[in-house]
Amino acid sequence: GENVEQHPSTLSVQEGDSAVIKCTYSDSASNYFPWYKQELGKRPQLIIDIRSNVGEKKDQRIAVTLNKTAKHFSLHITETQPEDSAVYFCAASSNTNAGKSTFGDGTTLTVKP
Amino acid sequence: DTGVSQNPRHKITKRGQNVTFRCDPISEHNRLYWYRQTLGQGPEFLTYFQNEAQLEKSRLLSDRFSAERPKGSFSTLEIQRTEQGDSAMYLCASSYPGYEQYFGPGTRLTVT
Repeated sequence: GENVEQHPSTLSVQEGDSAVIKCTYSDSASNYFPWYKQELGKRPQLIIDIRSNVGEKKDQRIAVTLNKTAKHFSLHITETQPEDSAVYFCAASSNTNAGKSTFGDGTTLTVKP
Repeated sequence: DTGVSQNPRHKITKRGQNVTFRCDPISEHNRLYWYRQTLGQGPEFLTYFQNEAQLEKSRLLSDRFSAERPKGSFSTLEIQRTEQGDSAMYLCASSYPGYEQYFGPGTRLTVT
């Protein structure tokens, strides 16, 4: 089955700096890669996603890049703000697996004011 | 509220008791997923439904776990003879096929 590894497990940055979180996946059939933000005690919320037919996607301060050959994808947050502090999860899924997602173990991002 | 809802939000039970959780997905979504999340981990897939059909169960799901989605709308997840290792957050998500999953707030289970 699919295996997703996520690094780092914790990340601390100063407000205004950039943050990068990296994930690797094992199943070459995976073709959909969402990123979720989960605040303490709350549900995971989708912040950005990318499909395997594109290499990069951007939404304001958030961007995701995908390297299918190397089977890795990354989340980039620029101009970080204290409200970006949360746990971020990457996931991988494929149409052949009915869209069920395999998640990484999460990255706890702390943005210091 | 048109999002995914789950009830109860918290459940404390004694080991050996049975518990049942309910998930109400977004009404237009025909796919419904159950995940389990423990502290410091990402959600782990348990099972999913397309309409009323349960199409896949994870090997994580022992025989003590059963899920239903009788009319293709809400779903229930039952755990029989609960064990302390069942303590976790149980998350439900729904989606259209091939589209992003929307998660509910979860049911936090504590087995004492």
